[in-house]
Amino acid sequence: KNQVEQSPQSLIILEGKNCTLQCNYTVSPFSNLRWYKQDTGRGPVSLTIMTFSENTKSNGRYTATLDADTKQSSLHITASQLSDSASYICVVSAGFSGGYNKLIFGAGTRLAVHP
Amino acid sequence: DGGITQSPKYLFRKEGQNVTLSCEQNLNHDAMYWYRQDPGQGLRLIYYSQIVNDFQKGDIAEGYSVSREKKESFPLTVTSAQKNPTAFYLCASSMGQGTYEQYFGPGTRLTVT
Repeated sequence: KNQVEQSPQSLIILEGKNCTLQCNYTVSPFSNLRWYKQDTGRGPVSLTIMTFSENTKSNGRYTATLDADTKQSSLHITASQLSDSASYICVVSAGFSGGYNKLIFGAGTRLAVHP
Repeated sequence: DGGITQSPKYLFRKEGQNVTLSCEQNLNHDAMYWYRQDPGQGLRLIYYSQIVNDFQKGDIAEGYSVSREKKESFPLTVTSAQKNPTAFYLCASSMGQGTYEQYFGPGTRLTVT
């Protein structure tokens, strides 16, 4: 069964600190992995996308890693800011024949950054 | 100002009533999607459309219907047959199917009592 599991479910950190969010997946056939940021009551916004051959990708203070062998990904946030408070969603794309890609969404990690 | 718009932001309905959620995009994207988000769960695909006048069921299509008469518009109707309609509904679009990135709208929170 295609699944994406994220940990922790929620996290509280102090402003300026770093944190790492985890994503484990069992998705086949793997096409790519994306991290989205979702503010409360808003739609998700893409942070990074990685294919099988990429093992790290950065977007400002966000750095995503991918280990395709162990089927794990992480999102590292450096020098957190209050505006980083949001849910972070890991999404794995399964690529099927004919160009159809199915997205499997994790439940997200809710991050709260406190002053 | 390009993007995806959903309206209204909040919607309240009585049980037994059908309700239609609006989704419009001016990104010239071919593919459009509807997702449902419930607390503690990942987004689940309701319907998707790869091209005008064509759409396919997603994982949880029962109790929902869609139409795609125009490239820019993909309205979702939540019918009275949907057992638990209260949820946050997200519309998305992409240039095509495959590995194209999906861009999400701001969402509509539907409450049915």
